[in-house]
Amino acid sequence: EVQLVESGGGLAQPGGSLRLSCTASGFTLSSYGMNWVRHAPGKGLEWVSYISSSSSTIYYADSVKGRFTISRDNAKNSLYLQMNSLRAEDTAIYYCARGRTGDRRMDVWGKGTTVTVSS
Amino acid sequence: QSVLTQPPSASGTPGQRVTISCSGSGSNIGSNAVNWYQQLPGAAPKLLIFSNNQRPSGVPDRFSGSKSGTSASLAISGLQSEDEADYYCAVWDDSLNGNVFGTGTKVTVL
Repeated sequence: EVQLVESGGGLAQPGGSLRLSCTASGFTLSSYGMNWVRHAPGKGLEWVSYISSSSSTIYYADSVKGRFTISRDNAKNSLYLQMNSLRAEDTAIYYCARGRTGDRRMDVWGKGTTVTVSS
Repeated sequence: QSVLTQPPSASGTPGQRVTISCSGSGSNIGSNAVNWYQQLPGAAPKLLIFSNNQRPSGVPDRFSGSKSGTSASLAISGLQSEDEADYYCAVWDDSLNGNVFGTGTKVTVL
């Protein structure tokens, strides 16, 4: 079964850091670009970041640029999101999603991990 | 604030047809394929339509998508109670160098 499982969410203080992980199973992670998407309470979906299959291409939303870092370890079938200088507005459920080239669709999603930024 | 505009809500009775619009610009919808996602309450998003009008395996043919110029639409025909969810359009934006989601539309089955 094709599956993505996120972990690493929790409570962080403003200005603090968290590292999210996403583990893939049922497919070869190294063949796909990957995304992080978040859903803040009461708001819509927001794309956060994208990394290509070989890590050669990386994009970030302006809202996280300079604070978040996406990375991957294909040997471990894992995707990461290092989140620094956290703000209250980063509070959200964070999903990893498999990306497809061309139409950039995100065709497989994890169940998400919750990040709460509060003092 | 999203660059893709959707109506905040839409509703219909069982069996009716509901249409959701997604308005963008030349740097996103005008240049790239539109995808649609369904998010049921308390669940992760799910790919509903890709490449403007293609359905992934397992998605009922009651769902259809279209695109014209800088706008796109999702239609749900034969509305069912299990279609109550939030629906989002999404597309790559060449100016922002990133995916952008629409503002989202909550569909209610009356």
